[in-house]
Amino acid sequence: GAVVSQHPSRVICKSGTSVKIECRSLDFQATTMFWYRQFPKQSLMLMATSNEGSKATYEQGVEKDKFLINHASLTLSTLTVTSAHPEDSSFYICSARDGASLGAFFGQGTRLTVV
Amino acid sequence: AQRVTQPEKLLSVFKGAPVELKCNYSYSGSPELFWYVQYSRQRLQLLLRHISRESIKGFTADLNKGETSFHLKKPFAQEEDSAMYYCALQTGANNLFFGTGTRLTVIP
Repeated sequence: GAVVSQHPSRVICKSGTSVKIECRSLDFQATTMFWYRQFPKQSLMLMATSNEGSKATYEQGVEKDKFLINHASLTLSTLTVTSAHPEDSSFYICSARDGASLGAFFGQGTRLTVV
Repeated sequence: AQRVTQPEKLLSVFKGAPVELKCNYSYSGSPELFWYVQYSRQRLQLLLRHISRESIKGFTADLNKGETSFHLKKPFAQEEDSAMYYCALQTGANNLFFGTGTRLTVIP
């Protein structure tokens, strides 16, 4: 099946710094990518949806200036957590789908810890 | 607003017993529904989708628009079915929303 690679899998950063998470579709062109955040024992919360070449659509309550999403190519989307704070510590997961198939393929997730 | 509800956080069944994981949705448009599964230490992966009406690993799910449900069923549970299961709704705006998940444990 299609593969989505997410990097890094774990990152620890200092409060106030920015962290970039990459999501790549390895063997298909991802026309749409999703970014999720998962708190302990809670569901995957959709943060934003991005289509290649256009601005991301953010869900209500998600700060677009804090969580910068770039989907510049059909195989790469990035999520940058700017000026990170300890409350941003979470598990972030990306997923991608091509234009033809239903459903989405998921990255392995990134555990972000802000100290 | 769209919503996906999985009422059971934990579900345990004995091997060979039938299993049903419940999923209800709320959406004003025409829904596209999926089940995703996450085995221990693996990434989330698609199990099945309602539109293809397929059976994967013995699992089936029927969309019931009247009851707004998409329950996942398997007649005989296997140990390897133990995993976290998520029901998901895709809206017309191309967004994918998840339920809170159900952890299925199949007891040998």
